[in-house]
Amino acid sequence: NAGVTQTPKFRVLKTGQSMTLLCAQDMNHEYMYWYRQDPGMGLRLIHYSVGEGTTAKGEVPDGYNVSRLKKQNFLLGLESAAPSQTSVYFCASGRELKVLAKNIQYFGAGTRLSVL
Amino acid sequence: SQQGEEDPQALSIQEGENATMNCSYKTSINNLQWYRQNSGRGLVHLILIRSNEREKHSGRLRVTLDTSKKSSSLLITASRAADTASYFCASKQGGSEKLVFGKGTKLTVNP
Repeated sequence: NAGVTQTPKFRVLKTGQSMTLLCAQDMNHEYMYWYRQDPGMGLRLIHYSVGEGTTAKGEVPDGYNVSRLKKQNFLLGLESAAPSQTSVYFCASGRELKVLAKNIQYFGAGTRLSVL
Repeated sequence: SQQGEEDPQALSIQEGENATMNCSYKTSINNLQWYRQNSGRGLVHLILIRSNEREKHSGRLRVTLDTSKKSSSLLITASRAADTASYFCASKQGGSEKLVFGKGTKLTVNP
């Protein structure tokens, strides 16, 4: 059981280049999330999805786009990378168990992105 | 904006000692969770406490929640070198599908 898999693990981009980060989960979770983690800032939510075909903005969505065409995949795109997007990106998935008031998230190993 | 704020930012202790980390949040919550992150890895869920619970245990972990003070604490007893990691609290507001994470406490357990 792979859980949450992120590809690639590392990437170096030049300013203005574009790229797509892929997140795949095999737990049949409804919810998926993209975060960025910067030193001293904790995790900040970029975009999230509550089901196939849906996306919503998080705390820091500018400069990013997402798509959830299949339930198991959540893609994060950078159309024109900027040095401010240098960060570690984490994908997470989860399901909400309303009766139990539970919504645990399961994280991938991260993608380390440098924009020069 | 960040909902949870952990305190202290960094903590260094000797193996066998207890480690206590605190988290404060700003608005009413549905539950509060603690996650661990080893260096260079993703976050791993440790324990969840619901808003109607005051204390919860899991192995060497003890979590308390004080909704009147909007705060929670994580106690790791008899710490081990393997407990060295960053610890994050994350809170869920009632109708939201999102978790809001704090900035974390970096724990170092010296052998």
